[in-house]
Amino acid sequence: GAVVSQHPSWVICKSGTSVKIECRSLDFQATTMFWYRQFPKQSLMLMATSNEGSKATYEQGVEKDKFLINHASLTLSTLTVTSAHPEDSSFYICSAQGTSGSEETQYFGPGTRLLVL
Amino acid sequence: DAKTTQPPSMDCAEGRAANLPCNHSTISGNEYVYWYRQIHSQGPQYIIHGLKNNETNEMASLIITEDRKSSTLILPHATLRDTAVYYCIASKAAGNKLTFGGGTRVLVKP
Repeated sequence: GAVVSQHPSWVICKSGTSVKIECRSLDFQATTMFWYRQFPKQSLMLMATSNEGSKATYEQGVEKDKFLINHASLTLSTLTVTSAHPEDSSFYICSAQGTSGSEETQYFGPGTRLLVL
Repeated sequence: DAKTTQPPSMDCAEGRAANLPCNHSTISGNEYVYWYRQIHSQGPQYIIHGLKNNETNEMASLIITEDRKSSTLILPHATLRDTAVYYCIASKAAGNKLTFGGGTRVLVKP
C-alpha cells in the first residue's frame, strides 16, 4: 500500500517549452501533496504544498507563475514548468499524505528527471 | 521544524547491524521523528517514524531517548541494497512539510 507514481519518469525538452509532470496516489486519497526539487549532489528542497481543491502554497523564492500546480482530485496533482530554461533542469519529486495506514506519513513518488536543452 | 544533525557519512559491514544517530535537541513536544532513505536517482523511501516510544517495523527499529533530544535508526542486518542517503527529520504530523538536511550517506561494504 501507499504507492505514489509519477509520470513521466524523465523528459527532455527544448528551452521555452512547457512540461507537465503528474503525481498520482495509487491506493489512497491524498489530502495534501508536496512538490520537491533536487539538484545534483544536493538535498531535496520543497517547492510547494497543495491541498485538494485549493491553491498551492509556494515556498519563498519559487515562482508560482512559472511552476503551476493543480491538485484537482484526491489522487492527482500536476506540476507544469512553464517556459522551461536550462536552469530548470532538475529532479522533481512529489509526495502525498493521506490516510493510508497513518495520516502522519508522507509517501514519495519515484521522481521525474527534467533536462531542458 | 526542529533542526536535526547527522554525521555526513558512515560505512558498515554487510550482515551487521547499522546504527545511524541523529540529534534533534530542539524538538518540540508535538514533533515526530521521521526517517527516510534515498537510494541513488530514486525518490525517498519512508522507513519509520516515532514520537516518544521506540518503534520497530519490518525495515528497521527506531530508538528515541527519553528526553527526545536524539534518536538512533537501527538496520538490524545491513545488505548491499541498504546503501543510500538516510534522512532524519523532525516534523509535526498531518500535512506538515518535511525539511531535508544533508542526511547520512551510508555505504554497506561486503
